[in-house]
Amino acid sequence: DTGVSQDPRHKITKRGQNVTFRCDPISEHNRLYWYRQTLGQGPEFLTYFQNEAQLEKSRLLSDRFSAERPKGSFSTLEIQRTEQGDSAMYLCASSLAQGSGNTIYFGEGSWLTVV
Amino acid sequence: DAKTTQPTSMDCAEGRAANLPCNHSTISGNEYVYWYRQIHSQGPQYIIHGLKNNETNEMASLIITEDRKSSTLILPHATLRDTAVYYCIASARGGSNYKLTFGKGTLLTVNP
Repeated sequence: DTGVSQDPRHKITKRGQNVTFRCDPISEHNRLYWYRQTLGQGPEFLTYFQNEAQLEKSRLLSDRFSAERPKGSFSTLEIQRTEQGDSAMYLCASSLAQGSGNTIYFGEGSWLTVV
Repeated sequence: DAKTTQPTSMDCAEGRAANLPCNHSTISGNEYVYWYRQIHSQGPQYIIHGLKNNETNEMASLIITEDRKSSTLILPHATLRDTAVYYCIASARGGSNYKLTFGKGTLLTVNP
């Protein structure tokens, strides 16, 4: 499978615990995005990287959230001190930005349930 | 990204064409129209995009009006597996602001 890969697909955690999600983008894609989606809503943009540089962060990305893409390949999204309001699906996407850019492709998402 | 307006829900009979409308009256000249769909509990799936001309691929056709203020996604022969939420997004392609802003989309239900 050469699509965007996310791990784990499902995570149940207790409030206050830290969780980390991993995303492997499509090979050679230099842009990587994180979105969050809650029930009944469309995906909401959180942040994106071009190579290893984090170029934009949404106001939705509170101080408890941190995303990294250390070598410009895979990325991690960590949520510290989880709260019940963090329960959502976290989506990763990637694209190849060349000149006028390219199509953004999404992974299958990582479901987080905070109990 | 320009705001888009879509109906909340639509029904279609299996085997018939599904025509999903989208209004984007404030679209800028450099903004493309993108369509994605999301089947329950899965990530969004890219369908098609266009700027001015009508586009067709193996999944669907995209018809954009001449003034670019609206568009229609056409699934020529809808199947039960096409039941999903369909998102219409207007966004500039490329550049530092290239990201997608999703609305609530249209829930298309294909009935047997």
